[in-house]
Amino acid sequence: EPEVTQTPSHQVTQMGQEVILRCVPISNHLYFYWYRQILGQKVEFLVSFYNNEISEKSEIFDDQFSVERPDGSNFTLKIRSTKLEDSAMYFCASSESGVNSPLHFGNGTRLTVT
Amino acid sequence: GQQLNQSPQSMFIQEGEDVSMNCTSSSIFNTWLWYKQDPGEGPVLLIALYKAGELTSNGRLTAQFGITRKDSFLNISASIPSDVGIYFCAGPRPNFGNEKLTFGTGTRLTIIP
Repeated sequence: EPEVTQTPSHQVTQMGQEVILRCVPISNHLYFYWYRQILGQKVEFLVSFYNNEISEKSEIFDDQFSVERPDGSNFTLKIRSTKLEDSAMYFCASSESGVNSPLHFGNGTRLTVT
Repeated sequence: GQQLNQSPQSMFIQEGEDVSMNCTSSSIFNTWLWYKQDPGEGPVLLIALYKAGELTSNGRLTAQFGITRKDSFLNISASIPSDVGIYFCAGPRPNFGNEKLTFGTGTRLTIIP
């Protein structure tokens, strides 16, 4: 069964550094998402992306965050200057036709900011 | 913002027992989703509910969309060890064009040997 793949599985970075988290969504899906989950807490929406642009973003998704679909298969999340509180699991998801179709999640990237 | 509250927060049961958990909201949802998250993995969709009053089964799992559209429950019958994990309810906010999925606070299921 097709799946969403994320790399790396674990990223450790120093505060202030830039990180790029990578995702390969399911190939025929058109909607892409990033969610995050701080340890022990619920999953939180960051951003949705459709037709090569952001369709919605949360208040968490401030100017230090950006997303890109550089080549038609990858979907990336960049954090420009990481803060300690950015430490979390970051999940990529994709769906065929938005939130009214099933979202398929990747296994996440654990980001640790030291 | 909208909050989905799940209860109980955690459950400790013996293998073979039935499980019941629920999810409530102060606002109406038009879709209710139930996800399971295993340790170190992403959420996996278990059941999707699209109509008030709908009762849907997926193997040993049964979920219902409350008629008020403000709640949903998930039942698991005859629990087995692989049922261990965190169960989240989720739903999109009922506004046109909205792409945000709101997740509940989660119910952690542990099976006692």
